[in-house]
Amino acid sequence: AQSVSQHNHHVILSEAASLELGCNYSYGGTVNLFWYVQYPGQHLQLLLKYFSGDPLVKGIKGFEAEFIKSKFSFNLRKPSVQWSDTAEYFCAVNAPTSGTYKYIFGTGTRLKVLA
Amino acid sequence: EAGVAQSPRYKIIEKRQSVAFWCNPISGHATLYWYQQILGQGPKLLIQFQNNGVVDDSQLPKDRFSAERLKGVDSTLKIQPAKLEDSAVYLCASSSYGQGGTSTDTQYFGPGTRLTVL
Repeated sequence: AQSVSQHNHHVILSEAASLELGCNYSYGGTVNLFWYVQYPGQHLQLLLKYFSGDPLVKGIKGFEAEFIKSKFSFNLRKPSVQWSDTAEYFCAVNAPTSGTYKYIFGTGTRLKVLA
Repeated sequence: EAGVAQSPRYKIIEKRQSVAFWCNPISGHATLYWYQQILGQGPKLLIQFQNNGVVDDSQLPKDRFSAERLKGVDSTLKIQPAKLEDSAVYLCASSSYGQGGTSTDTQYFGPGTRLTVL
């Protein structure tokens, strides 16, 4: 069965520290990859996505993610975090299943940035 | 552009009672999703509609959960009877996939309905 693993459930960083959140998926075929973010009290929203082309994708607010096909990974990075990045981050895979595209989400990583 | 609307935002019921949630997707979006998000977990897809047809309901507990999408627009999700383990946030999302859109189109999420079953 397809699955998405996020290894870090809670991360605490100081402002200006670098961030890397891991995401691995299990699916042998072509996939679309997403990172969603949920700020406190807000809806889930798209941070960035990858579906083809350059494996390094840039999203909003200085975030980027790198797709490494050989490792089935799509890690999220930011060189210098801010207090406002405190949120929960979800990795998701969208893959063809039984004639449609189905989303599978990871369990999420709760990031707290200390001012 | 108006976002995905959901109501109610919060609901508290006792076990064995029934409950219904409503979702209005973004205008023109062909695909509508219902997710269940239990505390500490990621969203789990319950059912996916494309227009008013079901394309995936493999994870919907059909003995107690039902969903419909009227005229390919609004949708309701019902639980009858509710169990303690149904306590979760129920998220609705929509995308333009399926009607001129592609699988890479962004899903837009509503604010969710937080259900507590006592």
